[in-house]
Amino acid sequence: DGGITQSPKYLFRKEGQNVTLSCEQNLNHDAMYWYRQDPGQGLRLIYYSQIVNDFQKGDIAEGYSVSREKKESFPLTVTSAQKNPTAFYLCASSIPTGYYHSNQPQHFGDGTRLSIL
Amino acid sequence: QKEVEQNSGPLSVPEGAIASLNCTYSDRGSQSFFWYRQYSGKSPELIMFIYSNGDKEDGRFTAQLNKASQYVSLLIRDSQPSDSATYLCAAEMNRDDKIIFGKGTRLHILP
Repeated sequence: DGGITQSPKYLFRKEGQNVTLSCEQNLNHDAMYWYRQDPGQGLRLIYYSQIVNDFQKGDIAEGYSVSREKKESFPLTVTSAQKNPTAFYLCASSIPTGYYHSNQPQHFGDGTRLSIL
Repeated sequence: QKEVEQNSGPLSVPEGAIASLNCTYSDRGSQSFFWYRQYSGKSPELIMFIYSNGDKEDGRFTAQLNKASQYVSLLIRDSQPSDSATYLCAAEMNRDDKIIFGKGTRLHILP
């Protein structure tokens, strides 16, 4: 079955530590995204990538980094510079807008819950 | 700042009735709109998407788009307790693959 796999489901970060959240998709989608969701809030875009070896900052990129070395994978690193990392992190993918005249729906993984120890 | 606005709710609807969820967006140039359902503790799942003015129906769900009023709605007919969730409205911005999400409306179907 095609889908998006995020791991781990739960992650704990110690102060000063960098942690990496994994996102893998087998939907053959070129575009991938990372969002952060805080309780009672909508989704805020951290980073997105429309093609391999390229990515752009979203609205809240500070304290985060990404890489896109393979089409299937878009890992997110939460660095020690992110002072309030506790949140629900969601990875999504889609067919890029450029293939069609309209934005295509994004499909989400099951998410990773990150907490501070 | 481009925005998508939703009433946070909760919206309480009796079982079997029609639930009506509303959303407004600030960017007049937006062309693509999406409704996602999110159960507590879970990730969002796509319910409907709509690109053209008017109605789009899929089973018990109908999405309505009025670009002149910058207004999108989702109707759920014959509401079931399993429809109780938070519904997120999203609109694309600038055709650059980014979409902006509203904060969601909590829907509670009363048995």
